[in-house]
Amino acid sequence: GENVEQHPSTLSVQEGDSAVIKCTYSDSASNYFPWYKQELGKRPQLIIDIRSNVGEKKDQRIAVTLNKTAKHFSLHITETQPEDSAVYFCAATLSGSARQLTFGSGTQLTVLP
Amino acid sequence: GAGVSQSPSNKVTEKGKDVELRCDPISGHTALYWYRQSLGQGLEFLIYFQGNSAPDKSGLPSDRFSAERTGGSVSTLTIQRTQQEDSAVYLCASSLLDVNYNEQFFGPGTRLTVL
Repeated sequence: GENVEQHPSTLSVQEGDSAVIKCTYSDSASNYFPWYKQELGKRPQLIIDIRSNVGEKKDQRIAVTLNKTAKHFSLHITETQPEDSAVYFCAATLSGSARQLTFGSGTQLTVLP
Repeated sequence: GAGVSQSPSNKVTEKGKDVELRCDPISGHTALYWYRQSLGQGLEFLIYFQGNSAPDKSGLPSDRFSAERTGGSVSTLTIQRTQQEDSAVYLCASSLLDVNYNEQFFGPGTRLTVL
């Protein structure tokens, strides 16, 4: 089955700096890679996703890159703000199938004011 | 429309008791998933349902765990003879399966504490 590894487990950055979180996956059949943000005590919420037919996707301060050959994908947050502080999870699955999401172990991002 | 809802939001039980957790998915979503999140940990897949197909139970940690989905909508996760290691937040998610669209929407979770 799919295995997703995520690092770092914790990340502290100064407000305004960039943050990068990296994930690798094992199943070459996976083609859908979402990122979820989970604030303390709240449910995970999708912030951005990417499919394997593109290499990069951007939404304002958030971007995700995918290297399908190397089987890794990354989340980039620019101009970080204190409200970006949360746990971020990457995941992988096969789009259109009923396969469950396989999640990474999470990254606790802290943006220091 | 309404999102995924779960009940109860919190459940405290004694070791050895049975508990039932409920999930109401988004109307029209054919796929329903249960995950478990232990304190400070990632999301562990438990089980999913897709339409009328047999559920994928491959993530259930033991035979004390079972789940049903009635009428293709509401789902109940049952844990029998609860143990302290069952303490966690149980999250339900649903999705509208489509070739090009697979976002899973999560409910608020049920925090289970086994004393």
